[in-house]
Amino acid sequence: DQQVKQNSPSLSVQEGRISILNCDYTNSMFDYFLWYKKYPAEGPTFLISISSIKDKNEDGRFTVFLNKSAKHLSLHIVPSQPGDSAVYFCAASGTGGYQKVTFGTGTKLQVIP
Amino acid sequence: NAGVTQTPKFRILKIGQSMTLQCTQDMNHNYMYWYRQDPGMGLKLIYYSVGAGITDKGEVPNGYNVSRSTTEDFPLRLELAAPSQTSVYFCASSYMGDNSPLHFGNGTRLTVT
Repeated sequence: DQQVKQNSPSLSVQEGRISILNCDYTNSMFDYFLWYKKYPAEGPTFLISISSIKDKNEDGRFTVFLNKSAKHLSLHIVPSQPGDSAVYFCAASGTGGYQKVTFGTGTKLQVIP
Repeated sequence: NAGVTQTPKFRILKIGQSMTLQCTQDMNHNYMYWYRQDPGMGLKLIYYSVGAGITDKGEVPNGYNVSRSTTEDFPLRLELAAPSQTSVYFCASSYMGDNSPLHFGNGTRLTVT
């Protein structure tokens, strides 16, 4: 039962254009969402997060949008740079005390110079 | 500033052998975690700890054991290694358990043959 789904295993984008990575979830108890970025042979690193009380959170070139009714979130990277080429994991959890984080399967982004 | 350090980086085990994956963090984080990542899959939680002396099972604990005698260290023990334990193992830590971003180590790639 995959509660967090990233249906696109890979995505290619030209440098300077927008990258849009999508994530769907099924568990209505999830109310906090995070994106992690992973380079080969390294561990994931935290990128950006959003609480369910918001529908948008922005940090520099990275913006995460949350559509609670559709149980869908997306990560926008504008403009895309070659250094953004990595695997991006969507993750979700509840709130209140320790909450287990559920990860998606990841989307491999390639930014073409 | 080392963050989360995992050793070894790579290991090949024969079926039935045992080993300990080491993890240490220097951020004084209370929460520590072990995840495994199989090809094309998200990260699955094996065990976690909310503080020294306290551990609990995650999604996939069978075949593993952990201990947490200090805040810094969280070793993962594999007893009687099986081919199904071939995976990349990531240790992580967080300041709090409630939606604090995870800080990951660079992983241990384990092959059981």
